[in-house]
Amino acid sequence: NAGVTQTPKFRVLKTGQSMTLLCAQDMNHEYMYWYRQDPGMGLRLIHYSVGEGTTAKGEVPDGYNVSRLKKQNFLLGLESAAPSQTSVYFCASGGTGGIGELFFGEGSRLTVL
Amino acid sequence: AQSVSQHNHHVILSEAASLELGCNYSYGGTVNLFWYVQYPGQHLQLLLKYFSGDPLVKGIKGFEAEFIKSKFSFNLRKPSVQWSDTAEYFCAVNSPNTNAGKSTFGDGTTLTVKP
Repeated sequence: NAGVTQTPKFRVLKTGQSMTLLCAQDMNHEYMYWYRQDPGMGLRLIHYSVGEGTTAKGEVPDGYNVSRLKKQNFLLGLESAAPSQTSVYFCASGGTGGIGELFFGEGSRLTVL
Repeated sequence: AQSVSQHNHHVILSEAASLELGCNYSYGGTVNLFWYVQYPGQHLQLLLKYFSGDPLVKGIKGFEAEFIKSKFSFNLRKPSVQWSDTAEYFCAVNSPNTNAGKSTFGDGTTLTVKP
């Protein structure tokens, strides 16, 4: 039972490059989320989705885009990476109308030089 | 908007000491409350949760938390910590009435347990 899987686990980018992080969940959850984790700042919500084909902005959406073309997948894109986007990114999914517990992936560590 | 405050950023304890980590939230309506743990190099996983009913909830690995509505608090406790409890702990809240299923997290508390 895989749960929530994120790829890649590590990536180094140069400023201005683009990349996509993939999140896949096998729990048939409606809700999916992308968070970034920075030291001393906890988890901050970037974007989220309440169902296939829908996305919404979280508290720190600038510089990121997302897509939810299939229920099980939630993609996070960086069109033009900046050093401020160096972080650990966590994907999470949840059922129960979005008010239950979240299930997290193992994280993707991104470094932008 | 909801906010979550964790009072201690870094706690250092010796094995067998008792633990209490503070968590306060700002929302006045109905809330669901969670504590998550992140062991070094791992992802977040649920320790315990409160939705309704008995305000004292028990989670995995001997952890418990008490919801005190009048104080907007959900403090995490463990009577006797172990070295393996070294981790970062996050308090989180969501509301069935607002925020469309978004959870708000505190900044986290790093617990270091000395053997």
